[in-house]
Amino acid sequence: AQRVTQPEKLLSVFKGAPVELKCNYSYSGSPELFWYVQYSRQRLQLLLRHISRESIKGFTADLNKGETSFHLKKPFAQEEDSAMYYCALTPRGGSQGNLIFGKGTKLSVKP
Amino acid sequence: DVKVTQSSRYLVKRTGEKVFLECVQDMDHENMFWYRQDPGLGLRLIYFSYDVKMKEKGDIPEGYSVSREKKERFSLILESASTNQTSMYLCASTGGLGSPLHFGNGTRLTVT
Repeated sequence: AQRVTQPEKLLSVFKGAPVELKCNYSYSGSPELFWYVQYSRQRLQLLLRHISRESIKGFTADLNKGETSFHLKKPFAQEEDSAMYYCALTPRGGSQGNLIFGKGTKLSVKP
Repeated sequence: DVKVTQSSRYLVKRTGEKVFLECVQDMDHENMFWYRQDPGLGLRLIYFSYDVKMKEKGDIPEGYSVSREKKERFSLILESASTNQTSMYLCASTGGLGSPLHFGNGTRLTVT
């Protein structure tokens, strides 16, 4: 079965500390993985996708096919990173409308 | 910049009422979606549409229907609202393969 698991509902760190939001997936084929973010009172938006291999707002995520993981990392968290983060997957080449979302992790960065 | 507009930010309705949630996008996207967002449950797909007058059920279509009469507009209909449909509803659109989803600001619906 296709599934995205984000084991932490809430993650709280201090400003300047490293942060890692975990994401594990279950999918029989070769998926595309994404991270979406929703800041307070803002719309949900794409943060990054694994095929781009880019760093957005200091965040990176590496697809580990062996561990079926796509953890989101940032070496030094900032208060403005506080938000709700969703990991999602879609079949490679498929429309993002077929996205399967995890249940989300709320990141709280304390001053 | 893609804009997805949901007509209402907050809506309060009574049990049994027929409710219309409207969504309009301005980028000529073919694909449009309705999700509901609940704490601890994440985003769940209700319905989606890949073309005008076309609709497909998502993961939780029960109690909902949709209408896509024009390419830019995708409406979610609650035929007879119930309290368990109290939620945040998100509309999204995408231009197709490889394109990201663009979300609206959401409509927080409360059914009393």
